[in-house]
Amino acid sequence: DVKVTQSSRYLVKRTGEKVFLECVQDMDHENMFWYRQDPGLGLRLIYFSYDVKMKEKGDIPEGYSVSREKKERFSLILESASTNQTSMYLCASSSSLAGGVEQYFGPGTRLTVT
Amino acid sequence: GEDVEQSLFLSVREGDSSVINCTYTDSSSTYLYWYKQEPGAGLQLLTYIFSNMDMKQDQRLTVLLNKKDKHLSLRIADTQTGDSAIYFCAESIWRYGGSQGNLIFGKGTKLSVKP
Repeated sequence: DVKVTQSSRYLVKRTGEKVFLECVQDMDHENMFWYRQDPGLGLRLIYFSYDVKMKEKGDIPEGYSVSREKKERFSLILESASTNQTSMYLCASSSSLAGGVEQYFGPGTRLTVT
Repeated sequence: GEDVEQSLFLSVREGDSSVINCTYTDSSSTYLYWYKQEPGAGLQLLTYIFSNMDMKQDQRLTVLLNKKDKHLSLRIADTQTGDSAIYFCAESIWRYGGSQGNLIFGKGTKLSVKP
């Protein structure tokens, strides 16, 4: 079974702090994704990576950066957390960017910025 | 731009059929998906349909695609309390150098099943 794990289920940070969200997958997938999920807005893609050290901006990259130094690990970084980044963050991975290929999701990290 | 619309809530009684509807805007979408999110969990792929099909059946799940109207539906037969979850419709689109692996999700339909 594919497993996508996220470092924390719940996180509380203060405004202005630097925040790291970690995601690890164990199926040697090429592609990894970071989404945020907000009530009434669904899932929105922040960034994705199609290979080690390669990244592409998604629909809402502002205020975020990412790092993929190893194939199995994809980190989302909030350089200076703000209250409007309070959200559920979901990581996903897939073996291919071809259509019809499943994205496997982690359980999510609920981040609160105070 | 691309958009996927679905109603936010649906309530049914146990044993009834549930029908969750979705409309999408990108006519170049070749794959459409249904994901399920149970409380406190990530999303799990339920099923997907290729755009040259108009129906796909998998046990209690039936997916209908009307490509002309850009309308997708998910029917769950004999709905059980364990089906209570949020259901997301998603389309894949050609972007980022020709890949379809990036999905546009709807806002999700919360299905409540009453005993």
